[in-house]
Amino acid sequence: DQQVKQNSPSLSVQEGRISILNCDYTNSMFDYFLWYKKYPAEGPTFLISISSIKDKNEDGRFTVFLNKSAKHLSLHIVPSQPGDSAVYFCAARSIKAAGNKLTFGGGTRVLVKP
Amino acid sequence: DGGITQSPKYLFRKEGQNVTLSCEQNLNHDAMYWYRQDPGQGLRLIYYSQIVNDFQKGDIAEGYSVSREKKESFPLTVTSAQKNPTAFYLCAFRDRRTGELFFGEGSRLTVL
Repeated sequence: DQQVKQNSPSLSVQEGRISILNCDYTNSMFDYFLWYKKYPAEGPTFLISISSIKDKNEDGRFTVFLNKSAKHLSLHIVPSQPGDSAVYFCAARSIKAAGNKLTFGGGTRVLVKP
Repeated sequence: DGGITQSPKYLFRKEGQNVTLSCEQNLNHDAMYWYRQDPGQGLRLIYYSQIVNDFQKGDIAEGYSVSREKKESFPLTVTSAQKNPTAFYLCAFRDRRTGELFFGEGSRLTVL
């Protein structure tokens, strides 16, 4: 039972254009969402997060949008750069869950073409 | 190292052998986690520990064991009972202020 899903396994985008990554969740108890970026053979690094009390959070080229009614969030990268080529994981957490565990999606591989 | 170190980075094991992966953090955080990543898949939680001398099973704990005798150390043992141990293993601590997880560089285990 996948509680967090990233339905697009891969995405290819031209340098300078927008990358849009999508994530859907099923657990209505999730109240905090995060995006991580991962290069091959390295650990994921935190990118941006959003609390369920907000619908948008922006940090430089990265913006995360949350639609609670649709149980959907998205990550926008504008403009996309070749260094953004990586796997991006969406993760979610419920403050009421034991251990503050993060549940991860399957990841989306982004390729930014020069 | 971002405050968390995993070793070894690469490890080969014969079938039937146990192997222990090391995870050390020097930032005095209480909560630590072990995840596993398989090719084309997301991260799945194996075990977590919220405090010294306490740990809990995650979603895929079978065939694994952990200990938390010291706050800074959270080693993971992959036992011979784990049916499919070849994977990339990631250890993390949780920042108590922000709730974010910070990961180590990972350990790639290959069973020959």
